[in-house]
Amino acid sequence: LAKTTQPISMDSYEGQEVNITCSHNNIATNDYITWYQQFPSQGPRFIIQGYKTKVTNEVASLFIPADRKSSTLSLPRVSLSDTAVYYCLVGGISSGSARQLTFGSGTQLTVLP
Amino acid sequence: GAVVSQHPSRVICKSGTSVKIECRSLDFQATTMFWYRQFPKQSLMLMATSNEGSKATYEQGVEKDKFLINHASLTLSTLTVTSAHPEDSSFYICSAPPGLAAGGTQYFGPGTRLTVL
Repeated sequence: LAKTTQPISMDSYEGQEVNITCSHNNIATNDYITWYQQFPSQGPRFIIQGYKTKVTNEVASLFIPADRKSSTLSLPRVSLSDTAVYYCLVGGISSGSARQLTFGSGTQLTVLP
Repeated sequence: GAVVSQHPSRVICKSGTSVKIECRSLDFQATTMFWYRQFPKQSLMLMATSNEGSKATYEQGVEKDKFLINHASLTLSTLTVTSAHPEDSSFYICSAPPGLAAGGTQYFGPGTRLTVL
């Protein structure tokens, strides 16, 4: 199982762009990179997923370099409600089933007024 | 996105009793579901993989006789904490992948807060 490493915590101010980088040096060829957001006492919520290059949706962008050994989640113009723990995970499908995910420590993002 | 529900959302029980937690995929079928446990200020830890129609696979250190998993249908997996003790108090979360999309995306339930007195 590929291990991920993220900063333990980050602070930002409302309206700023936040970039959270995750390293996954042992990512496998068929692994995808997925980011989740978790609020206290709630289950993780899917944010974005990508395999390579750049992916953008309505809430975030995901940048993946050519070697895929890292990825960066970009949150544009954060608000107080974006204060949460963000997890980067790698995984995919093998033997016809979704592979189990291994959660790292995650990044506690605190958005300040 | 796909929806996964859990019931109950919170439960308080006395030490020695058993508690059942349900995990349902509401708008898709899931042959595999995963159960996690999360202690305060910690990350999620995978407990077991639930497989429809076959035995669950438990992670090292998780007692299979204490945490009984039944994946009775393609939309329902249950976790029963038997003879619960205060140290079993935790936040239990399930997840399920909708189909076999290449990314293996999983969607998580809202979690169940178990408090054992």
